[in-house]
Amino acid sequence: ILNVEQSPQSLHVQEGDSTNFTCSFPSSNFYALHWYRWETAKSPEALFVMTLNGDEKKKGRISATLNTKEGYSYLYIKGSQPEDSATYLCSGANNLFFGTGTRLTVIP
Amino acid sequence: DAGVTQSPTHLIKTRGQQVTLRCSPKSGHDTVSWYQQALGQGPQFIFQYYEEEERQRGNFPDRFSGHQFPNYSSELNVNALLLGDSALYLCASSFLAGGPNEQFFGPGTRLTVL
Repeated sequence: ILNVEQSPQSLHVQEGDSTNFTCSFPSSNFYALHWYRWETAKSPEALFVMTLNGDEKKKGRISATLNTKEGYSYLYIKGSQPEDSATYLCSGANNLFFGTGTRLTVIP
Repeated sequence: DAGVTQSPTHLIKTRGQQVTLRCSPKSGHDTVSWYQQALGQGPQFIFQYYEEEERQRGNFPDRFSGHQFPNYSSELNVNALLLGDSALYLCASSFLAGGPNEQFFGPGTRLTVL
């Protein structure tokens, strides 16, 4: 069992603010970390697949970094918009173990 | 190009009954994974099917079983339903089991056990 933890559990930010959240995992035997965005009443949407230590990936205003040696990944959102409101999930061991998510609310 | 589809959307069963949930993967995908998501938790991995065989299994009892068909679609069966089986069941598909490839989720089936 891989203990994947996400923090914070929930977050409220003002429109235009930048924000970030964390996914932590045991650093031994790392294999593929995934980030997802899950909007209410929709399917979880794949954001990034992170495989190598030092990986940095970007999709529009959203980016992610990976540190496998210390066991964490950060997700950054620059200039948050109301449509960014969603739960952001990460998973370790190539989708075998998920965190409980960070619920982001962007206030207009 | 249809994404991952699941049926039914919602289902109500009583304790002791059996249920079958269905999933069609995204076009071009050959691997299907099933997850259970209870309120307040992240998705819990049930099992993964590839080439019509169960490739990996999470910590779920034998009451949970599955099948993958030659067209890559899949079914999740749960026998002897318990109240605790009430959850959102998510299906996800990907290409080439085991590789760090993007996984696409369906909208889920909401199962309520009374």
